[in-house]
Amino acid sequence: TQLLEQSPQFLSIQEGENLTVYCNSSSVFSSLQWYRQEPGEGPVLLVTVVTGGEVKKLKRLTFQFGDARKDSSLHITAAQPGDTGLYLCAERGLRGGSNYKLTFGKGTLLTVNP
Amino acid sequence: DSGVTQTPKHLITATGQRVTLRCSPRSGDLSVYWYQQSLDQGLQFLIHYYNGEERAKGNILERFSAQQFPDLHSELNLSSLELGDSALYFCASSVGLAGGSSYNEQFFGPGTRLTVL
Repeated sequence: TQLLEQSPQFLSIQEGENLTVYCNSSSVFSSLQWYRQEPGEGPVLLVTVVTGGEVKKLKRLTFQFGDARKDSSLHITAAQPGDTGLYLCAERGLRGGSNYKLTFGKGTLLTVNP
Repeated sequence: DSGVTQTPKHLITATGQRVTLRCSPRSGDLSVYWYQQSLDQGLQFLIHYYNGEERAKGNILERFSAQQFPDLHSELNLSSLELGDSALYFCASSVGLAGGSSYNEQFFGPGTRLTVL
């Protein structure tokens, strides 16, 4: 089972600041997803990246997939209190009987203070 | 609202007891997945059912079992509960197994918070 390392574990910033969180693995990702989980809710899919070097944007969020497909980053510009939550990266298994299961990192807990 | 419903939202019980968590997938989704989220282990895959059949098992204890019924709702049964079973339990659903990535996106329910005292 591939381990996904996320950093930092906790991040507390002021409204308007920029931030980047990371997801790394020692093995190549088949595909990588980023989720946001708010308190009392389940994770919600933000983006899926598949191709090495891929960059996707979702409003103020920019997702990058490393060229070697072993790492990914999520950059938030001008963070807002509504961005507060647990950011999780996950790999979708594509092999054997575990097709379609998700393997998650432990997440980065982001707090954006007004 | 993801369209996935889970009941109950909160459950408090004692060690040694047995509980059943229920999940109703989004309309039309044939796959149901169960995950456990705890502070030390994070979010971990437990088991996957597709159209009533078990498809994959993850880190699921022998004391835990699940099933998916003909109407596609699913239940996760936890027995001989221990303090360490206290966690959030999430159900997710997706359309199916085949097809493009849109068929594989998993939509998560709001979870059931289990507290074992």
